[in-house]
Amino acid sequence: DTAVSQTPKYLVTQMGNDKSIKCEQNLGHDTMYWYKQDSKKFLKIMFSYNNKELIINETVPNRFSPKSPDKAHLNLHINSLELGDSAVYFCASSLGQTSYEQYFGPGTRLTVT
Amino acid sequence: GEDVEQSLFLSVREGDSSVINCTYTDSSSTYLYWYKQEPGAGLQLLTYIFSNMDMKQDQRLTVLLNKKDKHLSLRIADTQTGDSAIYFCAETLGGSYIPTFGRGTSLIVHP
Repeated sequence: DTAVSQTPKYLVTQMGNDKSIKCEQNLGHDTMYWYKQDSKKFLKIMFSYNNKELIINETVPNRFSPKSPDKAHLNLHINSLELGDSAVYFCASSLGQTSYEQYFGPGTRLTVT
Repeated sequence: GEDVEQSLFLSVREGDSSVINCTYTDSSSTYLYWYKQEPGAGLQLLTYIFSNMDMKQDQRLTVLLNKKDKHLSLRIADTQTGDSAIYFCAETLGGSYIPTFGRGTSLIVHP
């Protein structure tokens, strides 16, 4: 009965590799998000999709490419991983773009060595 | 400086009240939130307050908003060990529904 799920939970990889993180929500929500939480616990929005369409793209390197095959899924692909990409990545969803409540996944801890 | 600031740690004894404080800089905040993050889990919305309210109470939780000082607090009455977690303060501004988060306050409850 998991609401927002992410895989994998942990990801350790080397610099230069390409990796993907998957996110799925079974809440029937229209809007999904990716956040990055750095080592100092700052949580920043990266992307937001509404009904599979990109609506928010903060200043994020082009190496990060979100993909939404349907409104229940929002995956994050990262090319040419760098040390500074090490962080916890959270997926979230909300009923719609104007919903104040977001439901978060458990996070994916990415470590780039 | 940070848009939303919180102290990083708070330690309380079980049964006591906990007060977690937050300050924000932008007076155009529309909603202010408290999220809870338990170990290994995502953030969970605990409560929120609209910017034209001064107080909101929900069972053991009391939220106080001082708009003049741009200060938000979360009081947890009768704190239990299960309340140990990181508490994030957040705000949304103007027409945006994307929250700006503080760095979180780690609440440690000891017997």
